[in-house]
Amino acid sequence: DIQMTQSPSSLSASIGDRVTITCRASQSISSFLNWYQQKPGKAPKLLIYAASSLQSVVPSRFSGSGSGTHFTLTISSLQPEDFASYYCQQSYSTPYTFGQGTKLEIK
Amino acid sequence: EVQLVESGGGLVQPGGSLRLSCAASGFPFSSYAVHWVRQVSGEGLEFVSGIRSNGDSTNYASSVKGRFTISRDNSKNTVYLQVDSLRVEDMGVYYCAREGTRYYGMDVWGQGTTVTVSS
Repeated sequence: DIQMTQSPSSLSASIGDRVTITCRASQSISSFLNWYQQKPGKAPKLLIYAASSLQSVVPSRFSGSGSGTHFTLTISSLQPEDFASYYCQQSYSTPYTFGQGTKLEIK
Repeated sequence: EVQLVESGGGLVQPGGSLRLSCAASGFPFSSYAVHWVRQVSGEGLEFVSGIRSNGDSTNYASSVKGRFTISRDNSKNTVYLQVDSLRVEDMGVYYCAREGTRYYGMDVWGQGTTVTVSS
């Protein structure tokens, strides 16, 4: 199975900050990388698919980049509603796998 | 409205079984793969199992292979997850999610159903 490693596991930031979360795959996954946001008690929400494509109705302050084994999720200017957990997930081969998550907290 | 609704969770003893259901509405169900993802309280997301749109291909996480069985009935717009030989480590919230193709990610999720394994 492909292993996905996210960093950092937690992050403290302030409103208006630019933050970047990294995800690395144990082998090349081309651009088959998706990002999800999850708030406590809620189902995950798709933010980015195919490494860099913004899901509809997701604000443009979210962006994704990368290919192969190294990927990033960037939030350009943090808003109060962005404090949540974020997960990467590979859809290159089955079984799909998720990163361990990054919890974004208010500083 | 496009939605997925899970059901079938509950309290079961170790070694027991449950059948989870994921009922879809508001979209052409037979055109979508469906996956099950679980989450232990306070922890991360874990892919459990997936099934392709016509049911001809299934896959499982190594942690559940041989104990869980995924199936679908496109006439009922429903995916099932038969969970057998349950262990304490199988406890958590089980979500189902749809996927158009592996390029587009899991774009619609249900609200989850909770499985508790305890004697």
